Amino acid sequence: GAVVSQHPSWVICKSGTSVKIECRSLDFQATTMFWYRQFPKQSLMLMATSNEGSKATYEQGVEKDKFLINHASLTLSTLTVTSAHPEDSSFYICSARALRRMPSTDTQYFGPGTRLTVL
Amino acid sequence: KQEVTQIPAALSVPEGENLVLNCSFTDSAIYNLQWFRQDPGKGLTSLLLIQSSQREQTSGRLNASLDKSSGRSTLYIAASQPGDSATYLCAVRTQGGSEKLVFGKGTKLTVNP
Repeated sequence: GAVVSQHPSWVICKSGTSVKIECRSLDFQATTMFWYRQFPKQSLMLMATSNEGSKATYEQGVEKDKFLINHASLTLSTLTVTSAHPEDSSFYICSARALRRMPSTDTQYFGPGTRLTVL
Repeated sequence: KQEVTQIPAALSVPEGENLVLNCSFTDSAIYNLQWFRQDPGKGLTSLLLIQSSQREQTSGRLNASLDKSSGRSTLYIAASQPGDSATYLCAVRTQGGSEKLVFGKGTKLTVNP
């Protein structure tokens, strides 16, 4: 149980285009999803916290107008990178917290990540 | 501001060795600490979670300890195997209601057959 998927797994786009990344909890409902970004040889950095039915909360330094987050249902959150530029190239990972606490942990369940390359 | 540091950044050992990975954090007011495994180009797999009130957790060949007062945690891997090769990440969740995880940069482990 507790599987989180991301789509696409990788994407290459031209500078100036927008890219949408989906994060789905497959076998549980998630009221809260988190979006992280990981640059090479760097730690994961939280970008924003996404709550179902409400606006996302962005971390300091993350442009909310550039990284649009929509948490439309209890199993789906999307991250749209608008007008992407080469400096946005990174590994984007989402995680989800279950609506009902899993019996043994208080953990976030992570997706496999999406590799974004902006040319 | 919470900062998490992992030492060493990389470690290479022969198969069968026992090894220790280190994690330190600057703010001892944590809610819990987790160790994750990340394979190249992949997402994260949670290995062990230690609540702030706990001292250690064990799962198979893995044992994680937590010394909250000194801001340290260790991940002990017994009888290492080539399949253990991956990057190991330490993350802390700070007290105060936020669910934010603060990650270290990880330790890249290579176990040589």
